[in-house]
Amino acid sequence: GENVEQHPSTLSVQEGDSAVIKCTYSDSASNYFPWYKQELGKRPQLIIDIRSNVGEKKDQRIAVTLNKTAKHFSLHITETQPEDSAVYFCAATYYSSASKIIFGSGTRLSIRP
Amino acid sequence: NAGVTQTPKFQVLKTGQSMTLQCAQDMNHEYMSWYRQDPGMGLRLIHYSVGAGITDQGEVPNGYNVSRSTTEDFPLRLLSAAPSQTSVYFCASRRGTGKTKNIQYFGAGTRLSVL
Repeated sequence: GENVEQHPSTLSVQEGDSAVIKCTYSDSASNYFPWYKQELGKRPQLIIDIRSNVGEKKDQRIAVTLNKTAKHFSLHITETQPEDSAVYFCAATYYSSASKIIFGSGTRLSIRP
Repeated sequence: NAGVTQTPKFQVLKTGQSMTLQCAQDMNHEYMSWYRQDPGMGLRLIHYSVGAGITDQGEVPNGYNVSRSTTEDFPLRLLSAAPSQTSVYFCASRRGTGKTKNIQYFGAGTRLSVL
């Protein structure tokens, strides 16, 4: 079955620096990769997603990259700000079917002032 | 729209008790799922449903039952609660078709403690 591994589990960066979170998936049929952000005590919310026919996608300070051959995908946050502090989850699924969405174990990102 | 509504927000059970966590959505979403969130373990899928009358197991289904008699509701039943089921439970829903079909909307969560 599908398995998603996420690293690192915790990440601390200086405000203004960049943060990178990496994920690996096991099912080569997966073709949709969303990222969710969960602030303390809140519910997870989608922040960006990518499909496997695209290698990179950007939305302001956030970007996702996908290496389909290696089955790796990454979240990049540039010019980090205090409000970026949260837990980030990657996930993988097969876009066209009724497949389950399987999540990684999460990365707790802390932004140091 | 209220989105995805979970009740209760908090619950304390004794070992062996049973209870039902409620989840309702008013977005006419076909797909609904239950996840549990434990420290360092991320969001693990318990059960999911692709429509009324259809359910399937996720990664960690043991000890939980679900049913989907209507599109709106997807209750999660704990038959005999165990301390290992202490967790935060999230219900989520999404469309089954269309451009936004894989965007999951989560409820606010139910924090469950089993003593």
